[in-house]
Amino acid sequence: QVQLVESGGGVVQPGGSLRLSCAASGFTFTTYGMYWVRQAPGKGLEWVTFIRYDGRDKYYTDSVKGRLTISRDNSKNMLFLQMDSLRLEDTAVYYCAKDGGTYSIGQWGQGTLVTVSS
Amino acid sequence: QTVVTQEPSFSVSPGGTVTLTCGLNSGSVSTGYYPSWYQQAPGQAPRTLIYNTNTRSSGVPDRFSGSILGNKAALTITGAQADDESDYFCVLYMGSGIWVFGGGTKVTVL
Repeated sequence: QVQLVESGGGVVQPGGSLRLSCAASGFTFTTYGMYWVRQAPGKGLEWVTFIRYDGRDKYYTDSVKGRLTISRDNSKNMLFLQMDSLRLEDTAVYYCAKDGGTYSIGQWGQGTLVTVSS
Repeated sequence: QTVVTQEPSFSVSPGGTVTLTCGLNSGSVSTGYYPSWYQQAPGQAPRTLIYNTNTRSSGVPDRFSGSILGNKAALTITGAQADDESDYFCVLYMGSGIWVFGGGTKVTVL
């Protein structure tokens, strides 16, 4: 079955950097687009970014453009989120998710918590 | 700025029916926005319920159904059960690689 396991979360100071990873298994990773979705404490879900199956196209919500970068390594079935110039408002649980088809999210990981705090 | 609207909360009796909606601050929601719905139980990761307006995800019971009602997308729970008590989020695809989530609806079964 599909498994998505995030790692790399932690506490970082404002302006700092962090790199999240997502290990994918149970499906043909190379044929699916992938998402990062976040959820601030006590808040709703927010779409952050999407990468096409081949990594050629990437899309971002406006608030993270130029600071967060999605990438993937199809040889290792890995998804990444490089987070730079972090702000307090980036504090959230970050979920890795698999494309469900027809512009939807299919399966979700369990999430990793990123806390930006001084 | 695009805002996707959802009712903040709903209460339903066990065995009852509830319909949650997903609208736009400007304009109508149509199938062309490919609305999808996600359930998030307390302390859990989200789970996909419905995609492409009305297609149930694998393993989702048929008491969950999606539709377009008037100018909004809708999720109907028929025969609500105690473990349906969760937050429910819709998301719309706005085109050009942009997705927008609604604020979510907290459903209480009592």
